[in-house]
Amino acid sequence: KAGVTQTPRYLIKTRGQQVTLSCSPISGHRSVSWYQQTPGQGLQFLFEYFSETQRNKGNFPGRFSGRQFSNSRSEMNVSTLELGDSALYLCASSFTATGLGELFFGEGSRLTVL
Amino acid sequence: AQTVTQSQPEMSVQEAETVTLSCTYDTSESDYYLFWYKQPPSRQMILVIRQEAYKQQNATENRFSVNFQKAAKSFSLKISDSQLGDAAMYFCAYTDTNAGKSTFGDGTTLTVKP
Repeated sequence: KAGVTQTPRYLIKTRGQQVTLSCSPISGHRSVSWYQQTPGQGLQFLFEYFSETQRNKGNFPGRFSGRQFSNSRSEMNVSTLELGDSALYLCASSFTATGLGELFFGEGSRLTVL
Repeated sequence: AQTVTQSQPEMSVQEAETVTLSCTYDTSESDYYLFWYKQPPSRQMILVIRQEAYKQQNATENRFSVNFQKAAKSFSLKISDSQLGDAAMYFCAYTDTNAGKSTFGDGTTLTVKP
């Protein structure tokens, strides 16, 4: 069974640009969540989708958005990039819609904003 | 809001020895789940162990066990017979039963000395 796949793995952008990150969950998993990981802030929750509906959203500005498709694949978008957006963005999928499910993480997309 | 605190940014242990990583959390919920995840350097995060709050018995997975103290809101991870492959960053995570998000601690970097 293929794991969670995130693309691209690495990318470099400049301030003001926008970026789209993609996540393909494990087959059969309908919940996809996104986290931002930085050395100073740890893992911060961005949002979570289940069956194409955003169920939870973290405390991030509106520049951060996401969506989920009918095949459970998810994308997140960051517009008007700032230097502080440099981070490892982790996607995690889960079989269940509730908190009892184990999260399966992808390897992450490392974004550098110059 | 739920918070998770890992008070030990770094820990080290001698190979074959035992080490305990600390985690405390704050919640007003009575039913929830707690997890320990492991993130090896440049590799994806994986689940180490899970504890359901309604279970009084501490979870155990081979060399990994937890000490779950619900009243004290404490959830420590004990690694016995430490191996070089245990070197990683360990994250404690909390999820309540109805939410689709997990709250993570800032992580503890574990070094295993040969």
